[in-house]
Amino acid sequence: EPEVTQTPSHQVTQMGQEVILRCVPISNHLYFYWYRQILGQKVEFLVSFYNNEISEKSEIFDDQFSVERPDGSNFTLKIRSTKLEDSAMYFCASSAWTGSPNEQFFGPGTRLTVL
Amino acid sequence: EDQVTQSPEALRLQEGESSSLNCSYTVSGLRGLFWYRQDPGKGPEFLFTLYSAGEEKEKERLKATLTKKESFLHITAPKPEDSATYLCAVSFSGGYNKLIFGAGTRLAVHP
Repeated sequence: EPEVTQTPSHQVTQMGQEVILRCVPISNHLYFYWYRQILGQKVEFLVSFYNNEISEKSEIFDDQFSVERPDGSNFTLKIRSTKLEDSAMYFCASSAWTGSPNEQFFGPGTRLTVL
Repeated sequence: EDQVTQSPEALRLQEGESSSLNCSYTVSGLRGLFWYRQDPGKGPEFLFTLYSAGEEKEKERLKATLTKKESFLHITAPKPEDSATYLCAVSFSGGYNKLIFGAGTRLAVHP
């Protein structure tokens, strides 16, 4: 069964450093997303991406964040200068385009720890 | 403000003891309501999509229903392996395809 994969599973970084989180969405999906979940809190939307551009972003997704689809399979989230409060689980998701709201399938997540 | 509220926060059941989880929502123009299961340290696992009031979906011991204001996830004769956090999320008009999640219900089923 096709699934979303994410690497690395755990990333530890120093405050101020840049990190890149990687995702491989389900192969025939067209919409891609990043969400995050701070420990003990709700899953929060960060950004959606379609046709090689951002279609929507949340207030959390400020200038320190960027997304890219560098090739036909990968989808990345970059945080330029990490802060302590960026520590969270980051989930990538993808969905097929059917012209109506459709199911988003999530990856296993990357646990980001900022020291 | 668009909101999704789940209750109870936590639920402890004995194996075989049926119960229901609630998800109430206040969004403008519901486009879809989604139920996910999340195990500790893992990503949400898709369970159901409901699009309109009166709709019902079933999968094994789980049944999801939708009204104009809330959704219920009914668990019939649960087993210990049903223990997880159950998340409700909504998609709404003007929100493109982003999902707004509730805080979840932590379900523990004991033998």
